[in-house]
Amino acid sequence: GQSLEQPSEVTAVEGAIVQINCTYQTSGFYGLSWYQQHDGGAPTFLSYNGLDGLEETGRFSSFLSRSDSYGYLLLQELQMKDSASYFCAVRDRVSGGYQKVTFGTGTKLQVIP
Amino acid sequence: DSGVTQTPKHLITATGQRVTLRCSPRSGDLSVYWYQQSLDQGLQFLIQYYNGEERAKGNILERFSAQQFPDLHSELNLSSLELGDSALYFCASSGGISGREGELFFGEGSRLTVL
Repeated sequence: GQSLEQPSEVTAVEGAIVQINCTYQTSGFYGLSWYQQHDGGAPTFLSYNGLDGLEETGRFSSFLSRSDSYGYLLLQELQMKDSASYFCAVRDRVSGGYQKVTFGTGTKLQVIP
Repeated sequence: DSGVTQTPKHLITATGQRVTLRCSPRSGDLSVYWYQQSLDQGLQFLIQYYNGEERAKGNILERFSAQQFPDLHSELNLSSLELGDSALYFCASSGGISGREGELFFGEGSRLTVL
C-alpha cells in the first residue's frame, strides 16, 4: 500500500529554523512535493524533489533521499506569516503508467514571537 | 490567483440530495485532480482526469462520480449526500507549459455543508 507520515504539529520561534519531516511508502515513486495551506485557503506549491538532494527556494529548502524514502522541508528565518499547514505529497505511478499525487496528513506549524 | 476556478464557493444542502461541483483548470492544463478535505484533515485524493480520460482513482465513494469535458472543465457529482460528506472539495490542475515540475495549481475550493 501507500502511506505518508509527517508530524501533526510543530511550534517554532520567529526568526528560528524549523524542519518538517516526511516519510513515505509507495511503489513507482517519481517525486516529493511540498505545499503550504493557510487556514481556509487553497494549498500552494512550495517545492518539488525528483532527485536526491537539496532544492533551495528563498527561505525554504526541501530535501529528498529516495533510498531512505524520506524528505524534509526546511524553513529558515521564520516569520509569523509562515504559520500554516504544510503537506508533503508523493507523485507516483499507477496502473497504465499514469501518475497520481497523494498528500500526507499535514503538519500544522505555529510560529510564536 | 492560481488560474483554477471552482464553483460554487459555498453550498448548503440536505441529506439525500445531489450536488454538482464545477472546476475550470488553468489555461493549457490538461490534468484535473479532485481532492476532499474534511475539517482539520489532510487532502484525500478522489480522482484524476487527463484530457477527458480518467487516469487515476483514489478513495472515491460509489455515490460520487466525475467527468472531464472536451473543453477540459470538470465536474464532480455527489449524490445521496450524508452528513459526513461535509467538506472542502478542491480541484487542482497541472500539465501546462508554465507550471514547475511537480506543481499542482489549486482552486479556492467548494465548501459543502450537508445538514
